[in-house]
Amino acid sequence: AQTVTQSQPEMSVQEAETVTLSCTYDTSESDYYLFWYKQPPSRQMILVIRQEAYKQQNATENRFSVNFQKAAKSFSLKISDSQLGDAAMYFCAYRREGAQKLVFGQGTRLTINP
Amino acid sequence: DTAVSQTPKYLVTQMGNDKSIKCEQNLGHDTMYWYKQDSKKFLKIMFSYNNKELIINETVPNRFSPKSPDKAHLNLHINSLELGDSAVYFCASSHHGNSYNSPLHFGNGTRLTVT
Repeated sequence: AQTVTQSQPEMSVQEAETVTLSCTYDTSESDYYLFWYKQPPSRQMILVIRQEAYKQQNATENRFSVNFQKAAKSFSLKISDSQLGDAAMYFCAYRREGAQKLVFGQGTRLTINP
Repeated sequence: DTAVSQTPKYLVTQMGNDKSIKCEQNLGHDTMYWYKQDSKKFLKIMFSYNNKELIINETVPNRFSPKSPDKAHLNLHINSLELGDSAVYFCASSHHGNSYNSPLHFGNGTRLTVT
């Protein structure tokens, strides 16, 4: 069974600084998709960024980028120029090609210090 | 404009009662899900329906019964509620046609409190 591990229960960063959230996963598959979701205090689950395993290029969405290391099964999220609105729980998620189930990590609570 | 909407937003009830949570999506997706988020924020899939057919049932007690009248709706009925059922329940949808890259779109969650 696939598992997703986020080893940092909590992280904090100064406003305008850069922070990296870690995620590792375990799979024997070669084709899969990885996602980062954000859950602010409003409880809504918001897609931040996604990566296809067959793409070597790291995905980027404005201030959010990933460092995808397929061999190491690592998928970290970098947030540049942190803003107060980035404070939230961040979840890493995995989905095997052809599957409909999304497997989530335990989440990392990110605090932004003004 | 709401893409995935679920009602109610909050649900407080006593042990032993039966309750339902409704979910509707207007994204034209063919697959819908129920996820449970426990007190430690861990998200776990419960059910998945594709075009009204149940395709994932993750060892959920049979007190939980999903129903999909059409591919835009997936409701969750819970019988004989227990204290351990207290959690946030998320509905989600995605498209699984030719592209399996479709991410999940989530509703805003229903916080269920069983007393």
